[in-house]
Parts: sequence; C-alpha cells; structure tokens
Amino acid sequence: AQTVTQSQPEMSVQEAETVTLSCTYDTSESDYYLFWYKQPPSRQMILVIRQEAYKQQNATENRFSVNFQKAAKSFSLKISDSQLGDAAMYFCAYRTRGTDKLIFGTGTRLQVFP
Amino acid sequence: DAEITQSPRHKITETGRQVTLACHQTWNHNNMFWYRQDLGHGLRLIHYSYGVQDTNKGEVSDGYSVSRSNTEDLPLTLESAASSQTSVYFCASSPGTSGNNEQFFGPGTRLTVL
Repeated sequence: AQTVTQSQPEMSVQEAETVTLSCTYDTSESDYYLFWYKQPPSRQMILVIRQEAYKQQNATENRFSVNFQKAAKSFSLKISDSQLGDAAMYFCAYRTRGTDKLIFGTGTRLQVFP
Repeated sequence: DAEITQSPRHKITETGRQVTLACHQTWNHNNMFWYRQDLGHGLRLIHYSYGVQDTNKGEVSDGYSVSRSNTEDLPLTLESAASSQTSVYFCASSPGTSGNNEQFFGPGTRLTVL
C-alpha cells in the first residue's frame, strides 16, 4: 500500500524568506501524481502545485516550486519570498494513475513571522 | 459559478443517533469523495463514487455509508454515531481518473459526537 510521510509537524519562516517543506512517499507504482494542498485557517483545501511522475522537470507555480526526486521518492515544496498569507497547514498527497483516490500525509503547519 | 457545498457546517449530536452530512456539487463531476480529517492523521478516505449508483469503501469506512442517486449529491450517513467519529469531514469531487485531475474540496463539516 502507498504511504505518504511528512516528517515536519511544524515549520516557521520569516516573511520574504524561503522555506522548504519535506514529503516522502512509498509506492511500487511507476506512474503516479503528487500534489501539495494548502489549508488556511478557513479550512478550505486549496491545490498549490501538482507533479506528474513521468515528467522529470520540477513543477513551478509562481513562488511555489517542487524538488521531485523519483528515485528517492521525495517531493519537497519550496516557498520563495514567503508572505503572511502563506501561513497554513500544507498537505502532501499521492495518487496512482488510473485511480482518483488521494493518499495524504499528516501535514506540516507553516507559521510566517513578520 | 460551479461549486461544491456541504451542510451543515457544524453539527453536534449524541452517541447512537443517525447523522447524515450532505454534499452537493454543480460541476457535473463523475467522481466524488468523503474524507475525514483528524489531528495527526491528515485526511483519510471514507467512501468514494465514480458515478451514479457506484460506491466504494475507502480506508476508514466502518460505521459510514453513502449512496449516489444522481451526479450532484453524495450524502454521508453515520448509522449510529460514536465519539470516535468526532472529526472534520470533507467532501471532494473531480471530473475523472485520467490525467492529473484536481480534486475540488468543499468547506468541511465539523461534527461533534457527545
């Protein structure tokens, strides 16, 4: 069975600085997708970025980028120029191609200090 | 605008009562999901549906049931509520299993079982 591990329960960053959130996963599949979701205090789940496993190029969305290491089964999220609005819970998630079921990590709470 | 809604947003009930949480989406998505979110566990899949009359058990389905009589709705029923089912419940939908489809989440329902 696939598993997703987020080993950092909490992280903090100074405004305008860069922070990296870690995620590792375990799977025997070769074709899958990885996601980072943000959950602000409003509880709304918001997709931040997604990565297709067969694409070697790391995904980027504005200030958010990933470091996808397929062999190491690692999928970290880098937030550049951190803003107060980035404060939230961040969840890493995995999905095997051909299914639509997401498997989530336990989340990392990010605090951003002015 | 298309959306996904959940009702009620907050619910307090007593042990042993039957409770139904509603989920309604207006995207005409085939796939719908129910997750529960608990501290230290992230989001875990309860039930999911890939279309009308299709329902499937997820990772933590014991004590829950769903039915899919139309495309828009996937109600979640707790047959006999237990204190262990106190949680935040999220409904989600997506258009299908192909590609890196995003799941869209509802705002969540906080359920307390006393």
